[in-house]
Amino acid sequence: ETGVTQTPRHLVMGMTNKKSLKCEQHLGHNAMYWYKQSAKKPLELMFVYSLEERVENNSVPSRFSPECPNSSHLFLHLHTLQPEDSALYLCASSQASGELSYNEQFFGPGTRLTVL
Amino acid sequence: GQNIDQPTEMTATEGAIVQINCTYQTSGFNGLFWYQQHAGEAPTFLSYNVLDGLEEKGRFSSFLSRSKGYSYLLLKELQMKDSASYLCAVRGPDRGSTLGRLYFGRGTQLTVWP
Repeated sequence: ETGVTQTPRHLVMGMTNKKSLKCEQHLGHNAMYWYKQSAKKPLELMFVYSLEERVENNSVPSRFSPECPNSSHLFLHLHTLQPEDSALYLCASSQASGELSYNEQFFGPGTRLTVL
Repeated sequence: GQNIDQPTEMTATEGAIVQINCTYQTSGFNGLFWYQQHAGEAPTFLSYNVLDGLEEKGRFSSFLSRSKGYSYLLLKELQMKDSASYLCAVRGPDRGSTLGRLYFGRGTQLTVWP
């Protein structure tokens, strides 16, 4: 248990569906992240929110739309996905600090997404 | 560009010692992390190095050489539960109050045999 929860854990959707992934962190952190993990590929950063403001969008297709209503919650809205978008989607959080410290990211268990 | 390289797979026997290497070429360096990820679970933090040298934490140790762009994770007294994927990640430069992003390697799948 890392203090970061994700729902649902598994999701199967068609290419025309609209669905949302939810992430919640109970650690009091002020930065949250969405990653995509595909087989045999490195974790890919999709979005970063720091202090609820999106600070990075790594050229992710517009069919993925993030939302961060407050520092504890992060959503990933999915629309018109492609089969190649099937992957494990991981959420993470961290505490930004000016001091030299780990500031490691704490990951949720992920949502296993299958697009048919 | 960012390049993080680590072996794809390694095997070892219970009680043995294994060293997982990671080499990196990144524009900017702000620390190196090792994470452990069991199948179907979240990656969990193992270690962090920002200065050269060895950091020891129980059965796990991590080493960093910034001049060589090289790190390794050393696992001693291997146990079956250590079978997992080990992810090397380099943190890029901070941007103001925003921490540098992490660049991950593909992960090393370690299998520990009895």
